[in-house]
Amino acid sequence: KAGVTQTPRYLIKTRGQQVTLSCSPISGHRSVSWYQQTPGQGLQFLFEYFSETQRNKGNFPGRFSGRQFSNSRSEMNVSTLELGDSALYLCASSSGLEGHGYTFGSGTRLTVV
Amino acid sequence: GQQVMQIPQYQHVQEGEDFTTYCNSSTTLSNIQWYKQRPGGHPVFLIQLVKSGEVKKQKRLTFQFGEAKKNSSLHITATQTTDVGTYFCAGSSGGSYIPTFGRGTSLIVHP
Repeated sequence: KAGVTQTPRYLIKTRGQQVTLSCSPISGHRSVSWYQQTPGQGLQFLFEYFSETQRNKGNFPGRFSGRQFSNSRSEMNVSTLELGDSALYLCASSSGLEGHGYTFGSGTRLTVV
Repeated sequence: GQQVMQIPQYQHVQEGEDFTTYCNSSTTLSNIQWYKQRPGGHPVFLIQLVKSGEVKKQKRLTFQFGEAKKNSSLHITATQTTDVGTYFCAGSSGGSYIPTFGRGTSLIVHP
């Protein structure tokens, strides 16, 4: 069974630009969560989507947004990039079954210059 | 908001020594999950604990959930170089099933 696929793997953007990251969850998983990982702050929850609806949201500014499509694929968008947005962005899908936890993708490494 | 503290931040051990990382929550948890992230990799789910006082084993790894469901530990017996990585705990509490991750403990094993 294919894992969680994130594209692109690496991205370099200029301050002020916007970026869109993509995530395809494990087939059958309807919940997709996004996390930002940095050395200074660790793993920070961005938002969670389930059946095309944002179900939970973390404490990030409105520049961070996302959506989920009917096939459960998800995208997250960051507008007006800042240097501090440089991070590893991880997508995680979940079956919702007890004891199964998250399956993370390999992440997108975003560098803002 | 909920805080999950994890100690130590780093741990150097000689191969064959034991290793323990501790996780403490500011609130009572409904469950706790553990993940391992290899250098340059992504977090991989290891286990979930739900019951007060629960103990689970996976080969050389032993996971414990405290009686008050506010703390947890991961113990590795006789470390190997393949155990290198960062171990994260992630706890959920209250009405939210979204886990809050600890900052992780990075394990360095010297051969």
